[in-house]
Amino acid sequence: ETGVTQTPRHLVMGMTNKKSLKCEQHLGHNAMYWYKQSAKKPLELMFVYSLEERVENNSVPSRFSPECPNSSHLFLHLHTLQPEDSALYLCASSQGYGATEAFFGQGTRLTVV
Amino acid sequence: AQTVTQSQPEMSVQEAETVTLSCTYDTSESDYYLFWYKQPPSRQMILVIRQEAYKQQNATENRFSVNFQKAAKSFSLKISDSQLGDAAMYFCAYRSIQGAQKLVFGQGTRLTINP
Repeated sequence: ETGVTQTPRHLVMGMTNKKSLKCEQHLGHNAMYWYKQSAKKPLELMFVYSLEERVENNSVPSRFSPECPNSSHLFLHLHTLQPEDSALYLCASSQGYGATEAFFGQGTRLTVV
Repeated sequence: AQTVTQSQPEMSVQEAETVTLSCTYDTSESDYYLFWYKQPPSRQMILVIRQEAYKQQNATENRFSVNFQKAAKSFSLKISDSQLGDAAMYFCAYRSIQGAQKLVFGQGTRLTINP
């Protein structure tokens, strides 16, 4: 079992659907992150939660809604997505916001049709 | 804003040979961290090596070492004795020490190991 687990691994959804991505970390970390990885583009940081409070939101459209109910879990709720939102969504955690090492999950490959 | 550039979209190397991946970055800060991450087909990003900018000595981790040239803002990764398991996407990343401490990634270099 990896330290950071993401489910589902793959997701195909229509533009009118509502779905959620889940991330769980078993490392005792208190900071969690959502990244978007699109083809031929650098990883983009979407959201940062530190001690369950959102500390960073990098101009992400409102159709992406994060939730951090506790320090071990992070969700990304998806609603009315566009085809250009198709990407690999990576979750990461670290011991403290700004720690020198972040641990990543295996990502959710999202396809919007 | 900081930027990270990896100018080699793809690289290949013979097994057991040495390969160097290039990375340059742009920043006005004097203190920061630099990283190389590996993303194998499993998609999980794995930290390979880390360098603190205030340290002049180049970081090494077994077969992996960096050539950190602060004045040139260059941070290359050398992989010695390449192994088939080294095949992956490699990402260079920058992180500030103060202020916004998010990781800024380069576009990645796909490394192929030829048996």
